[in-house]
Amino acid sequence: EAQVTQNPRYLITVTGKKLTVTCSQNMNHEYMSWYRQDPGLGLRQIYYSMNVEVTDKGDVPEGYKVSRKEKRNFPLILESPSPNQTSLYFCASSLLTGIYSTEAFFGQGTRLTVV
Amino acid sequence: QKEVEQNSGPLSVPEGAIASLNCTYSDRGSQSFFWYRQYSGKSPELIMFIYSNGDKEDGRFTAQLNKASQYVSLLIRDSQPSDSATYLCAVRVGGSNYKLTFGKGTLLTVNP
Repeated sequence: EAQVTQNPRYLITVTGKKLTVTCSQNMNHEYMSWYRQDPGLGLRQIYYSMNVEVTDKGDVPEGYKVSRKEKRNFPLILESPSPNQTSLYFCASSLLTGIYSTEAFFGQGTRLTVV
Repeated sequence: QKEVEQNSGPLSVPEGAIASLNCTYSDRGSQSFFWYRQYSGKSPELIMFIYSNGDKEDGRFTAQLNKASQYVSLLIRDSQPSDSATYLCAVRVGGSNYKLTFGKGTLLTVNP
């Protein structure tokens, strides 16, 4: 089954404790991205990756890091989480890149709470 | 600042009616347009895309694009309670920037 898998689904952590949210897709997609979704603010892109070792900032990259060492995986790293990073996070992927492509598949979401 | 605007709703329609969801965008360089459906607590699901002016139909869904007026809409015919969800409009601008900008979504409620 084609899917994007995020882990964990729920996470409560403390300020400053480094964490990683994993994202894996089994569709051999080149394009992957991370979003956060907050009430009243909608979906905002954090980082995206066009292919292995190719990443770029989205609209809200501050406080986040990503890496793309393998095509299937695109982890999101919070080196020193803060309460304003409490949010619902989605990973997405797409086979195509370019103007007519879009985020075709979304993961199940990770609800992160930073206390 | 690229913006995609949607009425947050809620938009309430009776079962069997036509639901009309609207989206406006600010960047005239926008070239591709997408509609997602998101059920409460779930991830967004791509339901329609449109690239050219005019209408595009897929089952009960019709996407309409008017680039001159910078709006895109989604019509849902014969609305069902199962259509109750938040509908997100997304727009991609031309050029080397591959970022996709989402609107904040419109909550649709279909009443039995």
